[in-house]
Amino acid sequence: NAGVTQTPKFRVLKTGQSMTLLCAQDMNHEYMYWYRQDPGMGLRLIHYSVGEGTTAKGEVPDGYNVSRLKKQNFLLGLESAAPSQTSVYFCASSYSPDRGSGYTFGSGTRLTVV
Amino acid sequence: QKEVEQDPGPLSVPDGAIVSLNCTYSNSAFQYFMWYRQYSRKGPELLMYTYSSGNKEDGRFTAQVDKSSKYISLFIRDSQPSDSATYLCAFYATSGTYKYIFGTGTRLKVLA
Repeated sequence: NAGVTQTPKFRVLKTGQSMTLLCAQDMNHEYMYWYRQDPGMGLRLIHYSVGEGTTAKGEVPDGYNVSRLKKQNFLLGLESAAPSQTSVYFCASSYSPDRGSGYTFGSGTRLTVV
Repeated sequence: QKEVEQDPGPLSVPDGAIVSLNCTYSNSAFQYFMWYRQYSRKGPELLMYTYSSGNKEDGRFTAQVDKSSKYISLFIRDSQPSDSATYLCAFYATSGTYKYIFGTGTRLKVLA
């Protein structure tokens, strides 16, 4: 089925370890986003991309890096994980929001940093 | 003042009730108004999408936008236990930001 696929679904990291979350979409969407969702805080935008080879900072970018080398993939990296990065991470993709289309979200990655 | 305000709930209603979920916003540049539904341990899914003031109906769901009051609502008629989820409002302004602004979500529980 067409959609957004996130891997892995679950991960436990030790403080200071690094990891990469992968997001893949097969809808030919130009725009891709990484959010984190925490209780009481809602969805907060980490980084986003408006096309292959582009990235931009969202509202909570510190401690994260991203890359969009291929149109269908958007990678989120944690270089040195901290307990404050324990969260559920969602990737989303869309056509240009100016076209009046909504996001398609992945099913999420649950990350625990101990 | 927060850009978007949404009552977190939880909201518990009996099976068959009419549910009203609401969001207020402060940014008059918002032009697109959306509602997402998020089941437990799943990603949000787009439920309703409106562009202008007024009502939009889709089955048991009606989205209402009042731009003059900066207020949007989602009504669910004949609510079912399967409607139990968190509902998030979302907004977009065509100002080149390319980002949606989300409410924090209202948790709804429909009791059988």
